Amino acid sequence: KAGVTQTPRYLIKTRGQQVTLSCSPISGHRSVSWYQQTPGQGLQFLFEYFSETQRNKGNFPGRFSGRQFSNSRSEMNVSTLELGDSALYLCASSLEQAARTDTQYFGPGTRLTVL
Amino acid sequence: AQKVTQAQTEISVVEKEDVTLDCVYETRDTTYYLFWYKQPPSGELVFLIRRNSFDEQNEISGRYSWNFQKSTSSFNFTITASQVVDSAVYFCALSEAPGGYQKVTFGTGTKLQVIP
Repeated sequence: KAGVTQTPRYLIKTRGQQVTLSCSPISGHRSVSWYQQTPGQGLQFLFEYFSETQRNKGNFPGRFSGRQFSNSRSEMNVSTLELGDSALYLCASSLEQAARTDTQYFGPGTRLTVL
Repeated sequence: AQKVTQAQTEISVVEKEDVTLDCVYETRDTTYYLFWYKQPPSGELVFLIRRNSFDEQNEISGRYSWNFQKSTSSFNFTITASQVVDSAVYFCALSEAPGGYQKVTFGTGTKLQVIP
């Protein structure tokens, strides 16, 4: 079974631009979560999608948004990029949003650099 | 509020030594899950183990073993006879479901360097 895939793997943008990252979950997985990883803040939860609905959200500004399609693929968008948005963005998928029993499987991440 | 503490920022060991990575957690929930993930330099988080709060049995998988103690809120990870390929950042994570929706909190990670 193919794992979680993320595209692109690397991105370089400039301040003020916007960016869209894509995540394809493991086949059959319906829940997709996004995390931001930085050296200073570690792994921080952005949001989770299940059945095309955002079910949970972390403490990030509204510039960070996402969506999920009917095939469970997900995209996240960051508008008006700031230097501090430079990070590794990780996507994780799990079977259902059955909370306590789910294991999240992670993709390789998209490394975003904002200049 | 839930919290995961990995007090060891970096550890260096010589190949074949045993090493234990510490994880202490805080939660108000009685039902929760604990995880360990490995992040090699490539960046992808690799799932290692999941343990629920009702199962305090220690687990061994090859050179890896985990010690879960609810009394001390710890979920420590030991690598026996370490190898260079074990060099990575290891994350401990706690999963709860306040309000029914999964909330996962990660520790800050422990960078393990195994020196040949």
